[in-house]
Amino acid sequence: DVVLTQTPVSLLISLGGQASISCRSSQSLVHSNGNTYLHWYLQKPGQSPQLLIYQVSNRFSGIPDRFSGSGSGTDFTLKISRVEPEDLGVYYCLQRTHNPYTFGAGTKLELK
Amino acid sequence: QIQLVQSGPELKKPGESLKISCKASGYTFTDYAMQWVKQAPGKGLQYMGWINTQTGKPTYADDFKERFVFSLETSASTAYLQINNLKNEDTATYFCARGTTPAYWGQGTLVTVSS
Repeated sequence: DVVLTQTPVSLLISLGGQASISCRSSQSLVHSNGNTYLHWYLQKPGQSPQLLIYQVSNRFSGIPDRFSGSGSGTDFTLKISRVEPEDLGVYYCLQRTHNPYTFGAGTKLELK
Repeated sequence: QIQLVQSGPELKKPGESLKISCKASGYTFTDYAMQWVKQAPGKGLQYMGWINTQTGKPTYADDFKERFVFSLETSASTAYLQINNLKNEDTATYFCARGTTPAYWGQGTLVTVSS
C-alpha cells in the first residue's frame, strides 16, 4: 500500500501567520490517466473531515483562497496563509491514485 | 443540499454484531460511490473500502476483509456497514463519505465495544 508521510506532526502558528504542511508519498501519485489524485482535508475538533483541496491544487467549493496546494509526483504541500481561528484542527492528505486509498497520519495545527 | 446522515451511537459487547446506516439525500444515490472510513479514539483516519452504488459490489481494504460487510438499500438511498463478531479494537467512529473523491461526509457513528 502507498504510505503518505506528513510533516510536521504538529504546527504552532500565530493568528495571521502562514503554515506549510508536507505530504510525501512512497510512490508516484500520477495515475495512468495523467491525473494526480492527492487531496487535503481538515478535521476540526468533534467534526467530520472536510475536503479543502482536490487533485493537488484545486480548491473545493467554498474554500477560501488562503488555502493552496502544490506539488507533483511524490512531494506535495498545503499552505495556509493568514491563519484564522477556524483553521485549527488536524490536516490529512489522502491519495486515491492507487488502491487501496491511504491517508497521511495527520498534522495538528494549533495556535501559538 | 447534499447530506449524509448516519445512525446513532452504539454500545456493544465483544462477539456481537451491528449495522450502521448512512442515508443520503440531495443527489442521485447511484451516481456516486460510497466510501467508509474508521477513526479510532484519538487516532487518524483509516480507509476501510467502498461500495459501488450502481452494482452493489464492495471492495475492502486488507484490514477489513474478514468481519466487515458493506451493503445498500438503493430504494432508500442508504448504505450500510455491518461489523460481525465485534472486538474491542473496533471501538471507533465510522464515517461514510460520498464519491471517489470523498467530498461529503456523514457526521460519524461512534461504536463502543466493551464487556
